[in-house]
Amino acid sequence: AQSVTQPDIHITVSEGASLELRCNYSYGATPYLFWYVQSPGQGLQLLLKYFSGDTLVQGIKGFEAEFKRSQSSFNLRKPSVHWSDAAEYFCAVVVNDYKLSFGAGTTVTVRA
Amino acid sequence: EAQVTQNPRYLITVTGKKLTVTCSQNMNHEYMSWYRQDPGLGLRQIYYSMNVEVTDKGDVPEGYKVSRKEKRNFPLILESPSPNQTSLYFCASSARGETQYFGPGTRLLVL
Repeated sequence: AQSVTQPDIHITVSEGASLELRCNYSYGATPYLFWYVQSPGQGLQLLLKYFSGDTLVQGIKGFEAEFKRSQSSFNLRKPSVHWSDAAEYFCAVVVNDYKLSFGAGTTVTVRA
Repeated sequence: EAQVTQNPRYLITVTGKKLTVTCSQNMNHEYMSWYRQDPGLGLRQIYYSMNVEVTDKGDVPEGYKVSRKEKRNFPLILESPSPNQTSLYFCASSARGETQYFGPGTRLLVL
């Protein structure tokens, strides 16, 4: 079955430093992949998505993600984090037209 | 503005007292879903609907009911809530093959 693993439960990063969040998927065909962010007390906001084409995907808020089929990965990156990037991040894969399978999430703490 | 709305946003109730969480979308989407979010588990699908009067179980449907009488609305019903249903609930909608859009979430506490 399609599934997503986020190996890091919690990451702490200094403001201005780079950030990389890992996501590994299990899927037989070409997956449709997403990254969502959930700020404290907020809903889910779509950061970026990969359906096909260019394997480096640009998203909102300065985030990007790279799809690597050979590694079954879809890691999220940001070159320089801001305090407002403190949030929980979810990777998800499309299972079918009406369902996403989510990873357990990675909480990002930004220290001054 | 395209959006998914949920009400209420916060709810405290007691075991066994029936409740309904409403969900509405204004994007004319065919697909709607309910998820629950629990620490360390991410989001898990409770029920989904592919169109009016077409609903089916997701991964964790026990203790929940849904209905889809209108395309825009997809309420989640807890007939007899229990403490293990304390969670953060999200409604989502999408067109076929498109991105899912999520509501703001409903935080439920069952005492």
